[in-house]
Amino acid sequence: DQQVKQNSPSLSVQEGRISILNCDYTNSMFDYFLWYKKYPAEGPTFLISISSIKDKNEDGRFTVFLNKSAKHLSLHIVPSQPGDSAVYFCAARVRADGLTFGKGTHLIIQP
Amino acid sequence: GAVVSQHPSWVICKSGTSVKIECRSLDFQATTMFWYRQFPKQSLMLMATSNEGSKATYEQGVEKDKFLINHASLTLSTLTVTSAHPEDSSFYICSARDFEFGQGGNEQFFGPGTRLTVL
Repeated sequence: DQQVKQNSPSLSVQEGRISILNCDYTNSMFDYFLWYKKYPAEGPTFLISISSIKDKNEDGRFTVFLNKSAKHLSLHIVPSQPGDSAVYFCAARVRADGLTFGKGTHLIIQP
Repeated sequence: GAVVSQHPSWVICKSGTSVKIECRSLDFQATTMFWYRQFPKQSLMLMATSNEGSKATYEQGVEKDKFLINHASLTLSTLTVTSAHPEDSSFYICSARDFEFGQGGNEQFFGPGTRLTVL
């Protein structure tokens, strides 16, 4: 039973355009959602997070939107840059527990 | 920022041997560390939660006798894969929680991972 789902294994976006990565979840107890960027054979790097009591959080080029009623969140990257090419993981947690990750979306930024 | 290291970064071993992986928080104290495993092109799966000075808590389906966790100090947790078999080959990643540093729910910092290959 996958509690965090990323249904798009890959996404290709032109440089300068907006990248939108989506994530769905099933566990209503999740109180924090996080996005990580990861390269092969490396640990995940934190990008941005959002509390379940908010619906938007912004940090530079990254914005995360949370729709609790739909159990859906999305990560917007604008403008997309070549260095953004990586695998992006959506993760969620309950209180201070370990993280539950989605399967990841491979973002490819094309010049 | 908070830095977490892992050692070794990769290891190849024969089937039946045991392998120890270390996870260290370099510039902060971590009362809690987490161990994850990632198979190729799969998600990171939480294996266990390691608490300093107490027994680890294992996720459902993870054999505690096979994956021994020791969190003997506030900066070090070790994962020992006992009697390793080829199906244990995976990428093992630890994270350490720093309550003082984190804001907005991000208080877990990940190590660079350890690639285990069992022949």
